[in-house]
Amino acid sequence: EVQLLESGGGLVQPGGSLRLSCAASGFTFSNYAMNWVRQAPGKGLEWVSSINYSGDITNYADSVKGRFTISRDDSKNSLYLQMNSLRAEDTAVYYCAKPRHTGSYYFDYWGQGTLVTVSS
Amino acid sequence: DIVVTQSPDSLAVSLGERATINCKSSQSVLYSSNNNNYLAWYQQKPGQPPKLLIYWASTRESGVPDRFSGSGSGTDFTLTISSLQAEDVAVYYCQQNYNTPWTFGQGTKVEIK
Repeated sequence: EVQLLESGGGLVQPGGSLRLSCAASGFTFSNYAMNWVRQAPGKGLEWVSSINYSGDITNYADSVKGRFTISRDDSKNSLYLQMNSLRAEDTAVYYCAKPRHTGSYYFDYWGQGTLVTVSS
Repeated sequence: DIVVTQSPDSLAVSLGERATINCKSSQSVLYSSNNNNYLAWYQQKPGQPPKLLIYWASTRESGVPDRFSGSGSGTDFTLTISSLQAEDVAVYYCQQNYNTPWTFGQGTKVEIK
């Protein structure tokens, strides 16, 4: 059974940093690109970042480019999101999402999400 | 960036009736080399992550009831729930996966009339 378990969320002050983790199981993690998608309270879905299966190609939404860094550790079946210079508008539930097919960017498995709150 | 716009923002449908949600992309998401439209649909219930319903515009994900169907090509797409059930109350999103940044529509809230 595929499972994605996010952790690392919490309350942080504006300008602060946070590192999210996503522990994956139930599939061959190293074969898939992985993604972070966020959802601000009461709002819609926003794709944040993706990393390809080998970890050498990353993409970011303009809203986080230069502040967030996605990475992966296939030996630990884990995905990470380092978030720096956090802003109030980064407040959201952050989901880790697995693509339906290798090489695709629609997502068949999502974690339950971890809430990041940026506030003083 | 490809902008994805859904309509309506919300709709109320009687149980057993048809619900139709539209999704329009600002540019074509049809990949000519394989004739696939890179458009997916998701259902999200309160307090839950999204659930993939449809990909390639019309391919139903395994386990999704056949009352859900997707259609369209190029820039205009539709999600149809043929006979609305109580458990279908949710917010529905379309997503283009043709070009990064992968973008979602704003969502359509479906309720029971």
